[in-house]
Amino acid sequence: DVKVTQSSRYLVKRTGEKVFLECVQDMDHENMFWYRQDPGLGLRLIYFSYDVKMKEKGDIPEGYSVSREKKERFSLILESASTNQTSMYLCASSTAQGVEDTQYFGPGTRLTVL
Amino acid sequence: GQNIDQPTEMTATEGAIVQINCTYQTSGFNGLFWYQQHAGEAPTFLSYNVLDGLEEKGRFSSFLSRSKGYSYLLLKELQMKDSASYLCAMGRVNTGKLIFGQGTTLQVKP
Repeated sequence: DVKVTQSSRYLVKRTGEKVFLECVQDMDHENMFWYRQDPGLGLRLIYFSYDVKMKEKGDIPEGYSVSREKKERFSLILESASTNQTSMYLCASSTAQGVEDTQYFGPGTRLTVL
Repeated sequence: GQNIDQPTEMTATEGAIVQINCTYQTSGFNGLFWYQQHAGEAPTFLSYNVLDGLEEKGRFSSFLSRSKGYSYLLLKELQMKDSASYLCAMGRVNTGKLIFGQGTTLQVKP
């Protein structure tokens, strides 16, 4: 079974703080993704990475950056947290082999910025 | 375009059958996914269709019509634990990315 883990289930930070969200997958997947999920807006892609040290912007990258130094780990960084970044953050991974692009999700981190 | 549309909410009775529809714009299409998401939890993979037709997995089935840009998820013999959001997602060819609909919240009542 694919296992995707995230460093925290719940996180509370203050406006202006630097925030790190960590994601680790154990299936040697090439692709990793960061989404945020908000009521009425669904899942929105922030950034994704298709290889170590490679990254591409998703639909809403503003205010975020990412880091992929090792294949199994993909970090999302909020350089200066703001209240509008309060959300559920979901990490996912998928293989680049074959045709099917099934993504497997971690348990999510619910971030509150005060 | 990449619009994916599905109903926002549905209600059904325990033991019944419910069909959740999803329509999508077909450019760059590379398969249609359904995920289940219980409140406060992560989405879990249910099904994947790339060819036209019906795929059955126990109580859940998923249908795809590529020419019509249409899919549905069929849930039979509904159970209370099926109360969840159901997300339709379209794979984009050669990108590895999925485009998600907003999800359909299904409430199963006794």
